[in-house]
Amino acid sequence: ETGVTQSPTHLIKTRGQQVTLRCSSQSGHNTVSWYQQALGQGPQFIFQYYREEENGRGNFPPRFSGLQFPNYSSELNVNALELDDSALYLCASSPGSDTQYFGPGTRLTVL
Amino acid sequence: QQQVKQSPQSLIVQKGGISIINCAYENTAFDYFPWYQQFPGKGPALLIAIRPDVSEKKEGRFTISFNKSAKQFSLHIMDSQPGDSATYFCAASNGDYKLSFGAGTTVTVRA
Repeated sequence: ETGVTQSPTHLIKTRGQQVTLRCSSQSGHNTVSWYQQALGQGPQFIFQYYREEENGRGNFPPRFSGLQFPNYSSELNVNALELDDSALYLCASSPGSDTQYFGPGTRLTVL
Repeated sequence: QQQVKQSPQSLIVQKGGISIINCAYENTAFDYFPWYQQFPGKGPALLIAIRPDVSEKKEGRFTISFNKSAKQFSLHIMDSQPGDSATYFCAASNGDYKLSFGAGTTVTVRA
């Protein structure tokens, strides 16, 4: 176990709705990254937060947004959900090095 | 555009055999190359990682071979066991802690 937790485990939404996913980082880790993993594919980098500031973003539209809190926990928000947003959303925490530890993910289904 | 190309897509190996997964990259700024193991319904778990200043790294039954001039690296799983049946991902980053993943290789170990 990595010590990274995510909630909820599973989520079903309809197209157009908004969703918030949560991540609790491993103790002492000040960097959190979010990834989207479509079925049968590798994870794709969404964005990263370092000490509550966005520290880089992948090729995802602005309707994907995030927050990192002083205790280094994090949220991923997705507005105006589309069918293609159905995926496993992974949170990874890091102590400020290359090594990233992933949580179990949140499975989002958009109908 | 996928920055890390992984092959094969899947492989089957007999118990006790060797599994070999290959990855290639183009970005010469990459300086960290981890391998992750993922079981169904779980997040990726870090297996082993290497930096370009070494050509090989071994941890237990897992070995990374790295060829900087060819921009290729591979994972060897020695004495494969049924418990090794999983999807394996190679990844790379260039010091910005943002991982670029390969598409994954599903390994099946037959008893």
